[in-house]
Amino acid sequence: GENVEQHPSTLSVQEGDSAVIKCTYSDSASNYFPWYKQELGKRPQLIIDIRSNVGEKKDQRIAVTLNKTAKHFSLHITETQPEDSAVYFCAAPGGKAAGNKLTFGGGTRVLVKP
Amino acid sequence: DTEVTQTPKHLVMGMTNKKSLKCEQHMGHRAMYWYKQKAKKPPELMFVYSYEKLSINESVPSRFSPECPNSSLLNLHLHALQPEDSALYLCASSQPRDRVHNEQFFGPGTRLTVL
Repeated sequence: GENVEQHPSTLSVQEGDSAVIKCTYSDSASNYFPWYKQELGKRPQLIIDIRSNVGEKKDQRIAVTLNKTAKHFSLHITETQPEDSAVYFCAAPGGKAAGNKLTFGGGTRVLVKP
Repeated sequence: DTEVTQTPKHLVMGMTNKKSLKCEQHMGHRAMYWYKQKAKKPPELMFVYSYEKLSINESVPSRFSPECPNSSLLNLHLHALQPEDSALYLCASSQPRDRVHNEQFFGPGTRLTVL
């Protein structure tokens, strides 16, 4: 099945700086790569996703890049703000045999210091 | 309505109790999921229903029993749980993969404590 590795596990940045989180996946048939943000005590919420026919996607201060050859994708947050402090999870679905399953990375705890 | 709802928000139960968790969505999604999440860990998939049929069971112990009465509702029946089953139980829904692989919407979760 799919295996997703996520780094770093914790990330501390100064407000206004950029944050980058990286994920690698194992199944070359994965075609959809979501990023979820989970604030303390809250549900995971999708913040951005990318499909395998696109190399980059941007939404205001967040962007995701995908390198299918290397099987890795990254989340970029620019001009970080204290409200960006949360745990971020990447995920990948694997091939069709995986059905509707999403495999999550281990998570990155981001702390934005004012 | 773009929300998944779950009840109860909190549940404390003894090891001999029987209880049920409930999940509901009205987004027309035909795939629904149960996840278990321990502190500081990612969601761990337990079950997937696709078109109201159980399509994935991730080798979950039989003390957890899922049920999908219709396309909007998902239940998780609990019986004879162990203290290590204490966790946040998240429900999610999405369109099934045979359509476009779409976003999974998560409910707020049920915080379960087993004494």
